[in-house]
Amino acid sequence: EPEVTQTPSHQVTQMGQEVILRCVPISNHLYFYWYRQILGQKVEFLVSFYNNEISEKSEIFDDQFSVERPDGSNFTLKIRSTKLEDSAMYFCASSEVGQGGNQPQHFGDGTRLSIL
Amino acid sequence: AQKITQTQPGMFVQEKEAVTLDCTYDTSDPSYGLFWYKQPSSGEMIFLIYQGSYDQQNATEGRYSLNFQKARKSANLVISASQLGDSAMYFCAMREDNTGANSKLTFGKGITLSVRP
Repeated sequence: EPEVTQTPSHQVTQMGQEVILRCVPISNHLYFYWYRQILGQKVEFLVSFYNNEISEKSEIFDDQFSVERPDGSNFTLKIRSTKLEDSAMYFCASSEVGQGGNQPQHFGDGTRLSIL
Repeated sequence: AQKITQTQPGMFVQEKEAVTLDCTYDTSDPSYGLFWYKQPSSGEMIFLIYQGSYDQQNATEGRYSLNFQKARKSANLVISASQLGDSAMYFCAMREDNTGANSKLTFGKGITLSVRP
């Protein structure tokens, strides 16, 4: 069964450094998402992306964050000048174009980001 | 106000028994979708089941079924014949269609389920 692939599985970075989290969505999916989950807390939406542009973003997704689809398969989340509070599990998800809204978002296994 | 409420702090069930995990939601959008995801201790998020606001029947997927009570705004997950591998965190999530059929998911805080042998 096709799946969303995220790399790396764990990223350790010094505070202030930039990180890029990578995702390969399911090949026939056209909507892409990033969520994050701080340890022990609920999953929070960051951004959605469709047709090479941001569809929706949350208050969390400020100028520190950016997303890109550099080629036909990868979808990346860049975090500039990381802070301690950016430590979290970051999930990439993708979905087919909704028809009646019943398309689930399929999640990758996540990247655990640890900021030191 | 919370859009998704999961108040059960932790649930225990005996292997092979059925268990119900509660979820209530709040929305003024007439068109929405409700999802349940499973998160094992390894951390991945696994899609389990979907219920649309206009669906006439309760959703079922294998051992998972959704007890959808629209007037009460509840969408409880029922797991039948529990297995040890069902031990995990379970998240209820909602998509409101007012920003499109592919709009974001809003998650609840989750419920921990432990299956006892």
